[in-house]
Amino acid sequence: DAKTTQPPSMDCAEGRAANLPCNHSTISGNEYVYWYRQIHSQGPQYIIHGLKNNETNEMASLIITEDRKSSTLILPHATLRDTAVYYCIVKRGFGNEKLTFGTGTRLTIIP
Amino acid sequence: NAGVTQTPKFQVLKTGQSMTLQCAQDMNHNSMYWYRQDPGMGLRLIYYSASEGTTDKGEVPNGYNVSRLNKREFSLRLESAAPSQTSVYFCASIPPSGRGPQETQYFGPGTRLLVL
Repeated sequence: DAKTTQPPSMDCAEGRAANLPCNHSTISGNEYVYWYRQIHSQGPQYIIHGLKNNETNEMASLIITEDRKSSTLILPHATLRDTAVYYCIVKRGFGNEKLTFGTGTRLTIIP
Repeated sequence: NAGVTQTPKFQVLKTGQSMTLQCAQDMNHNSMYWYRQDPGMGLRLIYYSASEGTTDKGEVPNGYNVSRLNKREFSLRLESAAPSQTSVYFCASIPPSGRGPQETQYFGPGTRLLVL
């Protein structure tokens, strides 16, 4: 699986959009980008995933560059409950393939 | 529907003691996983089970054994606990394969283990 690079930490003001970047320059054509988050030592929670098109769901939007070497997770209106560690993971799109977690980005929402 | 459950929530062991961490899911999932997370680190895969009756090593299997007792349950055993195994242990499961990339892993609440 391709490796990812994320900034170790970011701050965002409450109510603003939080933009979390991820580099995955060695991604293969059949690999998807997944985002998970972990709130205060709870089990990780799935947020969103995508292959090459931009994706949006009720939690977030995912923007993937045309060359697929990087992506950005967008939380449109961050709240204090979005404070968490966010993990960007690249893997093939088979459901039972294992996830490889890096150290993620610790996002702190500032009141 | 309780999702993924883990017992115990907390455990303190002395070096050399043994214990089994229990995980169960009621979602009829095929694949189950055990991860550990050390302070300030991401999760690392210990073992996984793609289906009932099969198990495979992950990234950090040394010092652990697993049993896929049935489709619902996947246990992790420490035969002789060491301080280096102090960690938070997460169990996860995933819906049956074949439905494609939208399948995601569902995680349990974790077991916090301290080995003295």
